[in-house]
Amino acid sequence: DSGVTQTPKHLITATGQRVTLRCSPRSGDLSVYWYQQSLDQGLQFLIQYYNGEERAKGNILERFSAQQFPDLHSELNLSSLELGDSALYFCASSVDIRGSPNTGELFFGEGSRLTVL
Amino acid sequence: GENVEQHPSTLSVQEGDSAVIKCTYSDSASNYFPWYKQELGKGPQLIIDIRSNVGEKKDQRIAVTLNKTAKHFSLHITETQPEDSAVYFCAASINSGTYKYIFGTGTRLKVLA
Repeated sequence: DSGVTQTPKHLITATGQRVTLRCSPRSGDLSVYWYQQSLDQGLQFLIQYYNGEERAKGNILERFSAQQFPDLHSELNLSSLELGDSALYFCASSVDIRGSPNTGELFFGEGSRLTVL
Repeated sequence: GENVEQHPSTLSVQEGDSAVIKCTYSDSASNYFPWYKQELGKGPQLIIDIRSNVGEKKDQRIAVTLNKTAKHFSLHITETQPEDSAVYFCAASINSGTYKYIFGTGTRLKVLA
């Protein structure tokens, strides 16, 4: 158990709909990362938040957005869903304390599997 | 753009044999190279990592080598066991000071008993 909790584990929805994926990081971890895993694309970095602020952005579509709340949990919002958005969405967290040594290890949740029909 | 290539995409070995997975990265500023193992139905988990000031690192049956000049790094698993069967991802850091990684596309390792 990595200590990172993601909900829901599975989600089936229709094209055009909007969904929200939720992530609770490990206790004390300030950074949250979102990754998309498709069959032929490996792990694609979407976005990183650190202590409530966006810190790094990857290939995240404009239809997708994320935020990190004061209690450090994060949500990934996916809207106007398309068939190609079907994938496993992972959240990961790390300590990432500024000024302190950091191993760089990411702790991944078990993912949310999104199926768009 | 930044890229990490990983080979092979699938690898089958007999139990007890060695397995080698290779990665190539493009960003010369990359300085941290972790390897993650993803078991079925689970999220990826760090198994070993190496920093750019080191050429090789070992942890029991697992070793990683890094050739910064060639921008290559490899994962070596010796005396493979059935529980080593999983998908393995290599990754490279993108910008020093942040922990944004580019992952390889993964290698599905099957250890045949």
